[in-house]
Formats: sequence, structure tokens, C-alpha cells
Amino acid sequence: DAGVTQSPTHLIKTRGQHVTLRCSPISGHKSVSWYQQVLGQGPQFIFQYYEKEERGRGNFPDRFSARQFPNYSSELNVNALLLGDSALYLCASSLDSFRNIQYFGAGTRLSVL
Amino acid sequence: KQEVTQIPAALSVPEGENLVLNCSFTDSAIYNLQWFRQDPGKGLTSLLLIQSSQREQTSGRLNASLDKSSGRSTLYIAASQPGDSATYLCAVSPGGGSYKLIFGSGTRLLVRP
Repeated sequence: DAGVTQSPTHLIKTRGQHVTLRCSPISGHKSVSWYQQVLGQGPQFIFQYYEKEERGRGNFPDRFSARQFPNYSSELNVNALLLGDSALYLCASSLDSFRNIQYFGAGTRLSVL
Repeated sequence: KQEVTQIPAALSVPEGENLVLNCSFTDSAIYNLQWFRQDPGKGLTSLLLIQSSQREQTSGRLNASLDKSSGRSTLYIAASQPGDSATYLCAVSPGGGSYKLIFGSGTRLLVRP
């Protein structure tokens, strides 16, 4: 079975541009979460969607937005990119609320120049 | 506000040694705790998940314990191997219907042949 897939794997943008990152959860998983991991730190929670509804949002500016589609895939959008947005963006999916095992994708490495 | 701390930040051991990684959290009201492994530039691989009602979980050479009252978890790795070299992250789920994970900054482990 395919795991969590993210695209693209690497991305280079310049300040002020917009970026869209994509995530496909494991088949049957209805929850998708997004995390930002800056080099040398643990991942920081950005968003969580369950059954296409936003269930949680971390301490990130409104430049960050996300959505989940009927097939449970998800997009993370970041507008007006800043140098500080350079990071590994991780997507995680989970099956249900009881066990809450998070399965992570390989991430998208975003570099903002 | 929940904060997760991991000590030590880095660890270098000779092959074959048994080792313990530590994780502490400030709020004992957690739903579960997970230990992850991350290889350089890669996503996260879930190693063990401990529900709040459990004291420990084991998988192969790995054993994780949880003491909610003291806000501590340990990951024990038996007979370490060079292939165990990676960053180990612990994360707590605050529960309350939220799927978000709060991560520590990780322990970078190097197992020397």
C-alpha cells in the first residue's frame, strides 16, 4: 500500500511568491495534518483537517492556508513568501481519533531566496 | 502551554551499547505520546505510540515508557547498531479532539562502528 505522498519533493521560490504543496494521505485515512520543520528543530503544527473540515490551526500567520478535498488529499498554500518560510513541510495522515497514529510523508523541502 | 523537551540534544555511542533517550513534557493532560525516527532530510517514521493509560510499549530492540504524573517518557534502545543513527523525536498529543502533535527538538544519535 502506498504511504503518505507529498509533491513536489523540492521547491525553490523567491521572496513574495506564492507556493502550493500537495499531500495524498494513506488510503482510508480521513485526517491530514501539516507541519513545518525548520532545520535543527522539531516539527511545528500548522493545520489539521478531518473529513474536509479544519479541526485545528497552529500559531502561523494568515499567509498560510490549507484545504482538504473530497478524496481527502490536501493542499497547503503559502502567500507572500518570506526567507523564514524556508523549511521542510511535512504532511501526516491518520485513520481515526482513537489510536491517532500519525503517518508522515517524506516532506517538501522549500527554499525561499 | 504544553512544552516538550528532549535531553540530550546529541549522543554518540559505540556500537552494541544500550542507551536511553529522555523526553519531558510540562502538562500531564495528554492523550498519547509517540516516538519517531527521522533520517537526515527525510520524513518521520513512527516507532512507538503509548496511550495515556499505558505505561510502556515494546517493539523489537525498542522500549518506550511513559510516566504521566511526572511528565516523562524514555526510549530505550538495546544493543545499538550503526543503522540506528538518526534523530529521535518525541511528540505528545494533547487530546481534546485535536490531532495535533507537539514535538520536542529531538536527540541526534550517532552509533559508531
